[in-house]
Amino acid sequence: EAQVTQNPRYLITVTGKKLTVTCSQNMNHEYMSWYRQDPGLGLRQIYYSMNVEVTDKGDVPEGYKVSRKEKRNFPLILESPSPNQTSLYFCASSSAGGRAGELFFGEGSRLTVL
Amino acid sequence: RKEVEQDPGPFNVPEGATVAFNCTYSNSASQSFFWYRQDCRKEPKLLMSVYSSGNEDGRFTAQLNRASQYISLLIRDSKLSDSATYLCVVRGYGGSQGNLIFGKGTKLSVKP
Repeated sequence: EAQVTQNPRYLITVTGKKLTVTCSQNMNHEYMSWYRQDPGLGLRQIYYSMNVEVTDKGDVPEGYKVSRKEKRNFPLILESPSPNQTSLYFCASSSAGGRAGELFFGEGSRLTVL
Repeated sequence: RKEVEQDPGPFNVPEGATVAFNCTYSNSASQSFFWYRQDCRKEPKLLMSVYSSGNEDGRFTAQLNRASQYISLLIRDSKLSDSATYLCVVRGYGGSQGNLIFGKGTKLSVKP
C-alpha cells in the first residue's frame, strides 16, 4: 500500500530534549516536505526537499533541521524543543513528474513540549 | 494582503443544500490551483485540481477566475460526510512543488 509513515504519532517531551520525528514514503517520490499546523494559522511549511541531499527552508524553519540522505526518508529534527513548537506536524511527499500539487500526507505527529 | 485567503466559516448547512466556498490569491503569476479536504485531526487529502475551464467531479465543481484571482468550490446536494475543512492550495510561479501555499481552510458542517 502506497503511504507516508510518520513516527511517533504522539509525543510529550520537555524543553531542550532533542527529538526526531521520522518520515518514510514507499512511493519513490522525489519531493518531500514538513508542515506544522496550528489553530488559526493553517498549514505552514517548515522544510522541503526536491531530492536526495537537496533541502530548502520553508516559511517557518527556525528551530528545526532536516536531512535527506535517502530518497524514502526525511526526518525532522528538533535539537532543543521549546513550548512554541507544540503543534501537529505533517510530512508529505509528491512525485516531481506526477500530477502537480498532489501531495500525499502522513497521518500526522502531535507533539507537546512542556 | 495574505497570499491565499479563505473565509474560515464555519458554514453550517442542512443536508441537501448547495454550498460554495471562495478563495483568493495574491500572486497573479500563480500557476496551479487545488482543493484539499481535511477531516478533523486527520491529514489533508487532494479533493480536486482546478482547471482554467472549470471542472466537475460528481457533486463538486471547481472554478478559476484568473482576472479576479479567485477560485471557487461548489458542493451540490451536501451529505453529512462532506463535513470537513476545505483547503485552497495555490502553486506559485516557478513550478516547484516547494511553492505550494495553503489557505487556512474553510470549515463545513452538514447537519441532518
